[in-house]
Amino acid sequence: QLQLQESGPGLVKPSETLSLTCSVSGGSIRGSTYYWAWIRQSPGKGLEWIGNIYYSGSTYYNPSLKSRVTISVDTSKHQFALKFTSVTAADTAVYYCARQKYGWGSGRYYLSFDPWGQGTLVTVSS
Amino acid sequence: QSVLTQPPSVSAAPGQKVTISCSGSSSNIGSNFVSWYQQLPGTAPKLLIYDDDQRPSGIPDRFSGSKSGTSATLGVTGLQTGDEAAYYCGTWDSSLSAGVFGGGTKVTVL
Repeated sequence: QLQLQESGPGLVKPSETLSLTCSVSGGSIRGSTYYWAWIRQSPGKGLEWIGNIYYSGSTYYNPSLKSRVTISVDTSKHQFALKFTSVTAADTAVYYCARQKYGWGSGRYYLSFDPWGQGTLVTVSS
Repeated sequence: QSVLTQPPSVSAAPGQKVTISCSGSSSNIGSNFVSWYQQLPGTAPKLLIYDDDQRPSGIPDRFSGSKSGTSATLGVTGLQTGDEAAYYCGTWDSSLSAGVFGGGTKVTVL
């Protein structure tokens, strides 16, 4: 079955760049139906969608975060990555990668995430 | 604050039913499909319901989803201690052009 695993530094200094990688196993990252997403959860708070990438490299970002976010994909390594620039303490969160189903059907947008990686805590502190 | 509004907590005795509401607007729930997630303590969220009322394979029919207007509801029947978790709703917001979630509801089994 498809599995996702996040990796990257658990501690980042303020104003620096947060970089995480999501490794996909048990299935193809090239699936035409799906996108690949990053979602974060601040301590004790809810979920925030960061953005997604298609295997072709096309991306879409949350407009509220767009200026600081870059998502990329390496299909040969079955990985996709997140870069988040100029981080502050407010960016401290558990970061999840997930497979995203997204599209337009029956006159409405559909959006869901399954499966998710286990998540990785990133703390922004000097 | 979250775009979608959920009650912070609900509770019920084992074997009973709970319902969790998720309130939005015409630009999100009112015009797009809703999904629901279960997050057990210390774990990642897990998809329970997609496209308003569809269950992925492996999700028991104790979990159900419905929608009316700009509100969606998750129902859990035959409540078990293993159902103690946070539950989140999510959807696409056509005005924000972003995926959005509710703030989460903590279910306690009394």
